[in-house]
Amino acid sequence: GENVEQHPSTLSVQEGDSAVIKCTYSDSASNYFPWYKQELGKGPQLIIDIRSNVGEKKDQRIAVTLNKTAKHFSLHITETQPEDSAVYFCAAIRGSTLGRLYFGRGTQLTVWP
Amino acid sequence: NAGVTQTPKFQVLKTGQSMTLQCAQDMNHEYMSWYRQDPGMGLRLIHYSVGAGITDQGEVPNGYNVSRSTTEDFPLRLLSAAPSQTSVYFCASSYSIGADTEAFFGQGTRLTVV
Repeated sequence: GENVEQHPSTLSVQEGDSAVIKCTYSDSASNYFPWYKQELGKGPQLIIDIRSNVGEKKDQRIAVTLNKTAKHFSLHITETQPEDSAVYFCAAIRGSTLGRLYFGRGTQLTVWP
Repeated sequence: NAGVTQTPKFQVLKTGQSMTLQCAQDMNHEYMSWYRQDPGMGLRLIHYSVGAGITDQGEVPNGYNVSRSTTEDFPLRLLSAAPSQTSVYFCASSYSIGADTEAFFGQGTRLTVV
């Protein structure tokens, strides 16, 4: 099956700085890569996603990049704010096995005011 | 708009007891899944379903049973609880329309087995 590695496990940044979280995947058939934000006591919530036919996607302060050749994708958060503090998960999925997400182990992001 | 509803939110069981974690979605999604979340392990897939009457095993299925008799409901059964099943359990439902897909998660059930 798919194996998703995520780094770093913890990340501390000053408010206004950028944060980058990186993930690698093993299955070249994976073609959809969502990122989830999980706040304390809540379920994961989708914040951005990217498909294998796209190299980069942006949504305001959040961007995701994908390198299919190297099998890695990254989440970039610019101008971080304290409310960005949460656990972030990357995931990978094959289009043919929808509903079967493979998750990274998560990154605890802390943004200090 | 309820989305994905899990009950109960918290549960304490004794070793050997059985229980059912409930999951219901009101979005008419065809796909539903159960994950467990353990510290430092991310979310791991227990079982999933691609439609009513169809289920399959995920990465960590041992000790858990599922069934899907309706589109809306996907209960997870623990037949004989063990301390190793202490975890936070999340149910998710997802859809796929062409190239568009998204998974929605419930708020979770925190289970402690003593």
